[in-house]
Amino acid sequence: DTGVSQNPRHKITKRGQNVTFRCDPISEHNRLYWYRQTLGQGPEFLTYFQNEAQLEKSRLLSDRFSAERPKGSFSTLEIQRTEQGDSAMYLCASTLGTAMNTEAFFGQGTRLTVV
Amino acid sequence: QQQVKQSPQSLIVQKGGISIINCAYENTAFDYFPWYQQFPGKGPALLIAIRPDVSEKKEGRFTISFNKSAKQFSLHIMDSQPGDSATYFCAASLQFPGNTPLVFGKGTRLSVIA
Repeated sequence: DTGVSQNPRHKITKRGQNVTFRCDPISEHNRLYWYRQTLGQGPEFLTYFQNEAQLEKSRLLSDRFSAERPKGSFSTLEIQRTEQGDSAMYLCASTLGTAMNTEAFFGQGTRLTVV
Repeated sequence: QQQVKQSPQSLIVQKGGISIINCAYENTAFDYFPWYQQFPGKGPALLIAIRPDVSEKKEGRFTISFNKSAKQFSLHIMDSQPGDSATYFCAASLQFPGNTPLVFGKGTRLSVIA
């Protein structure tokens, strides 16, 4: 499978615990995006990377959220001290990142449930 | 501030009918307007996209109509089939330069009934 891969697919955690999600983009894609999707809503942009550089992080929901892409390949999204309001689907997408190649390919997401 | 407004929230169409979903955007700098289809438990998948230099784009049963002056675009699904039942999202972004993140509408849940 050469698509965007996200792990785990589902995560149930207790409030206050830290969680980390992983995204493996399509191999030649240098742009990687994280979105959050709550029930009945469209995906909401969180942050994105060009290779290993994080280009935008002001849209991360709070300082409990952080993301990395250390070698410009896979990325991780960490949520510290989870709250019930963090329950959502976290989506990763990747693109080639050139102006003429605009299609964003999404992974199947990680569904987080905070209990 | 919601930059892309989508309607209706839900839509029921008879098999063989035409499904129409509308979106309006605010940022005139947007230059890329895709539609995504999402099935339950799956990530969104690109269906069709348009740039503002054309007023219509057709791919199979799917057509985007684009009205730059009104800042509106719509998705038409001809000969709707039960397999088209899914949630559809319009989106917009700025591609020149920079390939900025997509801004999504809230989605339309389409049900095609036999």
